[in-house]
Amino acid sequence: GAVVSQHPSWVICKSGTSVKIECRSLDFQATTMFWYRQFPKQSLMLMATSNEGSKATYEQGVEKDKFLINHASLTLSTLTVTSAHPEDSSFYICSARKTGEQFFGPGTRLTVL
Amino acid sequence: AQKITQTQPGMFVQEKEAVTLDCTYDTSDQSYGLFWYKQPSSGEMIFLIYQGSYDEQNATEGRYSLNFQKARKSANLVISASQLGDSAMYFCAMRENAGGTSYGKLTFGQGTILTVHP
Repeated sequence: GAVVSQHPSWVICKSGTSVKIECRSLDFQATTMFWYRQFPKQSLMLMATSNEGSKATYEQGVEKDKFLINHASLTLSTLTVTSAHPEDSSFYICSARKTGEQFFGPGTRLTVL
Repeated sequence: AQKITQTQPGMFVQEKEAVTLDCTYDTSDQSYGLFWYKQPSSGEMIFLIYQGSYDEQNATEGRYSLNFQKARKSANLVISASQLGDSAMYFCAMRENAGGTSYGKLTFGQGTILTVHP
């Protein structure tokens, strides 16, 4: 199998605080993980590619200082939304690459008040 | 740059009928992969079917089939015998097959919301 988990599944925070989202590959090692953002009834937009042991590659228009990505091990990548604001409220989905295929986590719903 | 287009924001189908969800793509790559995913209201992304650019046969997975027309750059999803549980958002996606850090990167279409009526 190829199972990817995310934690938390949902989070509500106050404006100005930072939120960390974890993405774990449970039964395989993933040198590459991807982070997506999805607004209601819209498509998934790739935010960044997370590579184990190196800096993440951010897509154009994504603030790297705002969305900090750390891929410290072969089974864990974290996305930290720093100084979150209401406009950061969204559904964040990670995926982990295994032999060219992507396996998706269940997503994290972030609400910033 | 790769581009995926789904022109149907919403589709309706009667239970037990077949439905086709459209997807066109644009790429200069010779080697690429095309995917369809289902996203129910829970948000999870469920893999449905895959077609490689060099595959000569159209992919099939149970009630799902992919109508791959390479010259027209289209990869439509056909769902046969629709069920109420098929109601969801459906995404077409294309994968880059080039190497480097972008390997495996997916580009998604806008999505189509499918509603199955009893």
